[in-house]
Amino acid sequence: EAGVVQSPRYKIIEKKQPVAFWCNPISGHNTLYWYLQNLGQGPELLIRYENEEAVDDSQLPKDRFSAERLKGVDSTLKIQPAELGDSAVYLCASSAAAVADTQYFGPGTRLTVL
Amino acid sequence: KQEVTQIPAALSVPEGENLVLNCSFTDSAIYNLQWFRQDPGKGLTSLLLIQSSQREQTSGRLNASLDKSSGRSTLYIAASQPGDSATYLCAVRDDKIIFGKGTRLHILP
Repeated sequence: EAGVVQSPRYKIIEKKQPVAFWCNPISGHNTLYWYLQNLGQGPELLIRYENEEAVDDSQLPKDRFSAERLKGVDSTLKIQPAELGDSAVYLCASSAAAVADTQYFGPGTRLTVL
Repeated sequence: KQEVTQIPAALSVPEGENLVLNCSFTDSAIYNLQWFRQDPGKGLTSLLLIQSSQREQTSGRLNASLDKSSGRSTLYIAASQPGDSATYLCAVRDDKIIFGKGTRLHILP
């Protein structure tokens, strides 16, 4: 069974540029999560989807961040415009059900904003 | 507001020793608690998931316990090996998902 797939693995951009990250969850997983992880810290939840619906986006900085999950499968996280402080690892995870199930993580996208 | 703390932040032990990693949380009204390991530059790998109604879970050399009333969980690693070197994170799930900062574990050959 394929795991959670993320691309790109690394991205370097200049500040004020847009950037997008893509995630393909494990087949059949209805719940998808986007996290941000800074060096030496645990992941922080940005947004959680149940199928196509964003059920928790309270931590998503909506002035510059947006996300979508069309058809309840793949998801894209976008930043526009990027700021220096956005440099971090962006992790995607999925689980079969909303609360009770194990989360499976992708390898992450390391973003560097210059 | 739920807060999750992991102590110690870093730990070095000789190979073969048994060890315990700690995770504490401030609000006992949780759905579950999950332990992960993270290797440098990689994503998180799930180790054990303990539901709120459970007291412990075991997988191979790993045993995780949960005491909701005291807001504590421990991850016990038996007969440690150099391959166990990684950062171990716990995550508590209530209405949110809150991670600790992790414990960096180094097993000395």
